[in-house]
Amino acid sequence: QVQLVESGGGVVQPGMSLRLSCAASGFTFSSYAMHWVRQAPGKGLEWVAVISYDGSNKYYADSVKGRFAISRDTSKNTLYLQMNSLRAEDTAVYYCASVPTTAAPDWGQGTLVTVSS
Amino acid sequence: DIQMTQSPSSLSASVGDRVTITCRASQGIDRFLNWYQQKPGKPPKLLIYTTSTLQSGVPSRFSGSGSGTDFTLTISSLQVEDFATYYCQQSYSSLISFGHGTKVDIK
Repeated sequence: QVQLVESGGGVVQPGMSLRLSCAASGFTFSSYAMHWVRQAPGKGLEWVAVISYDGSNKYYADSVKGRFAISRDTSKNTLYLQMNSLRAEDTAVYYCASVPTTAAPDWGQGTLVTVSS
Repeated sequence: DIQMTQSPSSLSASVGDRVTITCRASQGIDRFLNWYQQKPGKPPKLLIYTTSTLQSGVPSRFSGSGSGTDFTLTISSLQVEDFATYYCQQSYSSLISFGHGTKVDIK
């Protein structure tokens, strides 16, 4: 079955960087666009970024544009989110997700990022 | 970008009640609308995708309907385990977006 396992979260100071990973299995990773979605404590779900199936197209929420970079390594079936210039408001649980248009989405369990001095 | 407006933002209901949550898209999204349930400390759980397809293992008391811009999630007879927050999400655009959530609590 589909498995998405995020890792790389932790506590970082404002202005620092962090890279999240999402290991995918149980489906043809190279055929699907992949997303990062986050949820700040006590808040709703916020889409962060998407990368096309082949990595050729990437789009970002305005709140992270210019600071975050999404990428994928098909040889490792892994999705990444490079987060630079982190701010307190980036504190959230980060989920990776596959959200096909006409099929059931799949989500990971999430990894917590805390930005605090 | 497509904005998703969910209502109500919260509701109180009793076990056995019929509950309806609505979601409106800022533009037509065909039937590319998903519903999630989330409990504290847990990731979102998929209930329904493409408006009305029940995810495997989800009880049949959950149902979804709609098309275009207006969608509905219905719980036919609320159970104790259904007290949670519910989110709609459009997958029409590559830039997916979510409603702000509806918290269902005990009356």
